[in-house]
Amino acid sequence: GENVEQHPSTLSVQEGDSAVIKCTYSDSASNYFPWYKQELGKRPQLIIDIRSNVGEKKDQRIAVTLNKTAKHFSLHITETQPEDSAVYFCAASTTGGSYIPTFGRGTSLIVHP
Amino acid sequence: EAGVTQFPSHSVIEKGQTVTLRCDPISGHDNLYWYRRVMGKEIKFLLHFVKESKQDESGMPNNRFLAERTGGTYSTLKVQPAELEDSGVYFCASSLWTDTEAFFGQGTRLTVV
Repeated sequence: GENVEQHPSTLSVQEGDSAVIKCTYSDSASNYFPWYKQELGKRPQLIIDIRSNVGEKKDQRIAVTLNKTAKHFSLHITETQPEDSAVYFCAASTTGGSYIPTFGRGTSLIVHP
Repeated sequence: EAGVTQFPSHSVIEKGQTVTLRCDPISGHDNLYWYRRVMGKEIKFLLHFVKESKQDESGMPNNRFLAERTGGTYSTLKVQPAELEDSGVYFCASSLWTDTEAFFGQGTRLTVV
């Protein structure tokens, strides 16, 4: 099955700095890579996703990059704000069959004002 | 459109008791997943339903856990008898396909004392 590794487990930055979270996956058949943000006491919510036919995707201050050859993908947050503080989870999944989204361990991002 | 709903939101039970968690997915979502997050760790996969069928239950920890999705609508996850290590937050998620956004419920925080 799929195995997703996520680093770092904790990331502390100053407001305005950039934050990068990295994930690797093991199953070369994985082709969909969502990122979820979970604020304290709330449900995980999708913030951005990328598919295997795309190398990079941006949405305002958030970007995700994918390297299929190396089987890794990263989340980049620029100009961080205190409200970006949350736990971020990466996931990898594939189309059809019994594949399911497999999550990383999560990264606790703390943005200091 | 209603999101994924779970109840109860919290449950405190004694070791050896039985607890049943319920998940109502988004209407029309054939894929329903149960996940569990133990303090500080990853969102760990438990099982995956496609409609009423268990597509993958490889993540179920042992036979004290029983999941059902009769009629392919809501799902229940029963823990019987509960043990201390079963404590954690149990999330349910649903999606149209395995490579589309999985929408999460708020989770059920289970504490076994």
